[in-house]
Amino acid sequence: DSGVTQTPKHLITATGQRVTLRCSPRSGDLSVYWYQQSLDQGLQFLIQYYNGEERAKGNILERFSAQQFPDLHSELNLSSLELGDSALYFCASSTLAGGNLGEQFFGPGTRLTVL
Amino acid sequence: GQQLNQSPQSMFIQEGEDVSMNCTSSSIFNTWLWYKQDPGEGPVLLIALYKAGELTSNGRLTAQFGITRKDSFLNISASIPSDVGIYFCAGMNYGGSQGNLIFGKGTKLSVKP
Repeated sequence: DSGVTQTPKHLITATGQRVTLRCSPRSGDLSVYWYQQSLDQGLQFLIQYYNGEERAKGNILERFSAQQFPDLHSELNLSSLELGDSALYFCASSTLAGGNLGEQFFGPGTRLTVL
Repeated sequence: GQQLNQSPQSMFIQEGEDVSMNCTSSSIFNTWLWYKQDPGEGPVLLIALYKAGELTSNGRLTAQFGITRKDSFLNISASIPSDVGIYFCAGMNYGGSQGNLIFGKGTKLSVKP
């Protein structure tokens, strides 16, 4: 158990809909990252938040957005969903402090299926 | 953008054999990490490397940070059935509280008892 929790585990929805994925980082971790894993693209970085502020953006679509709340949990919002958005979405967290700057710990993921 | 080439794509080995996989990049990283992912689960961190030339072990796993900072390898000695899974390398350049991982495509390991 990495200490990172994600809900829901599975999500099935229709094209055009909007969903929200939730992540709680490990206790004490200030940084949260979102990744998308699909069969053809592998694991792709979407966005990073650090202590409530956006820090880095990767290949995140304009239809997607995220935020990190004062209690450090984060939400990834996906809107106007398309079939190609079906994928595993992972949240990871890290401390970004001390000697272990690079270590990111992943949650169990949310499997999104768009029908 | 940055890409990592991970090889081999898959391996099918006998229990007890040693395994070696590697990752190369077109650009340098200041951190290399190796993860293992089981079906339906999130990646689990195996080893983190922070210095060029660094050799680090975690049980039967050994990983090295290439001296050019553009490559890394992972060795698994005396493989066992529970080593089955997909192994990912990831590179990172941390700076200014920013840091995202660039992942390889993975090496799928199958172990025959």
